[in-house]
Amino acid sequence: DSGVTQTPKHLITATGQRVTLRCSPRSGDLSVYWYQQSLDQGLQFLIQYYNGEERAKGNILERFSAQQFPDLHSELNLSSLELGDSALYFCASSSQTGVLGYTFGSGTRLTVV
Amino acid sequence: GQQVMQIPQYQHVQEGEDFTTYCNSSTTLSNIQWYKQRPGGHPVFLIQLVKSGEVKKQKRLTFQFGEAKKNSSLHITATQTTDVGTYFCAGRKKTSYDKVIFGPGTSLSVIP
Repeated sequence: DSGVTQTPKHLITATGQRVTLRCSPRSGDLSVYWYQQSLDQGLQFLIQYYNGEERAKGNILERFSAQQFPDLHSELNLSSLELGDSALYFCASSSQTGVLGYTFGSGTRLTVV
Repeated sequence: GQQVMQIPQYQHVQEGEDFTTYCNSSTTLSNIQWYKQRPGGHPVFLIQLVKSGEVKKQKRLTFQFGEAKKNSSLHITATQTTDVGTYFCAGRKKTSYDKVIFGPGTSLSVIP
């Protein structure tokens, strides 16, 4: 157990639908990052939050949004889903300094049918 | 924007052979991190290099950070089947506060 909890582990949904992925960072970590990993692909950075505020944005589609709540957990909302959105979605957290690197959760595997 | 590249994309080695993956950044980095992702798993942080020319070892793994802080390498001596996975480097920009940019990864297969 890495300390970063992601739910659900698996999600199957139809095109056009909306889903919410949830992430609880490791205790004490203020930064949360969301990454998308398609089959045999690298880690595409989506968005970063730090202590409730958006810190950086990557290649995140307008159909996607995220937020970090006061208890530091984060949610990634994916709407108007397309087949191409099928991927592994990872959440990672880090300490303020990031000296110990990012701690990744086990990911949510999203399948859009 | 900043790019982090890795070569090779794939590497197949016989068990016991050495393996090296190279990471190059288009810009100077403040530090570089390495991660390993086992098949079906999530990326796991291995190490962070900060100083120019820094070399760190973890058992059979040797990590180097280039003098110009734009490139890095990971060398595995005498590979074992437990080394199978994808190795990612991730660089933090000199002027960026926190976000790291991941390279595309090198997928290592070890033939027993």
